[in-house]
Amino acid sequence: TQLLEQSPQFLSIQEGENLTVYCNSSSVFSSLQWYRQEPGEGPVLLVTVVTGGEVKKLKRLTFQFGDARKDSSLHITAAQPGDTGLYLCAGGPYNQGGKLIFGQGTELSVKP
Amino acid sequence: GAGVSQSPSNKVTEKGKDVELRCDPISGHTALYWYRQSLGQGLEFLIYFQGNSAPDKSGLPSDRFSAERTGGSVSTLTIQRTQQEDSAVYLCASSPSGAVNTGELFFGEGSRLTVL
Repeated sequence: TQLLEQSPQFLSIQEGENLTVYCNSSSVFSSLQWYRQEPGEGPVLLVTVVTGGEVKKLKRLTFQFGDARKDSSLHITAAQPGDTGLYLCAGGPYNQGGKLIFGQGTELSVKP
Repeated sequence: GAGVSQSPSNKVTEKGKDVELRCDPISGHTALYWYRQSLGQGLEFLIYFQGNSAPDKSGLPSDRFSAERTGGSVSTLTIQRTQQEDSAVYLCASSPSGAVNTGELFFGEGSRLTVL
């Protein structure tokens, strides 16, 4: 079974601080995605990374896909209360069609 | 609306009863997924439909769970003889064919199931 391990599971920080969330696996993935979910809603895609070593930026968010395509990180600069939510990484295992495996999520709380 | 629609949004049932959850994907999306999410947790893969191919049922937790997709569109997830451990939010997602391998899923708001 291919698993994605996210860390930390919970993160509570003050507005303006920086943070990094990690997503690790022993398996290789064809792509990795980061989703954000707010209470009562479904997850919403933030970014997809498909190339080993790829770095993508989305405003204050920086996403990186590991060279070996087994891990990814999400870095938020100068966090704001609006960043509060559940962050989920997800990966598409090789040779399993479109099946997508999700990590257990990181619950982020940014206090003003 | 143009998004993924799920119904019911909330369902409370008694242990042992059967339930059906419905998903109406985005028009034109060929891939459809069902996931289960327990309180504050990540998403557990249940089943995946892609076009006319045989569904990937590898995530269904027991034979009490089944799903079908009619006409390549609407899908129904059925749970027979519900148990308390089935309580969770059931999320449906769809994806356009070109995005199947890049993980761009569009999720509905989910159906919250509570088994008493």
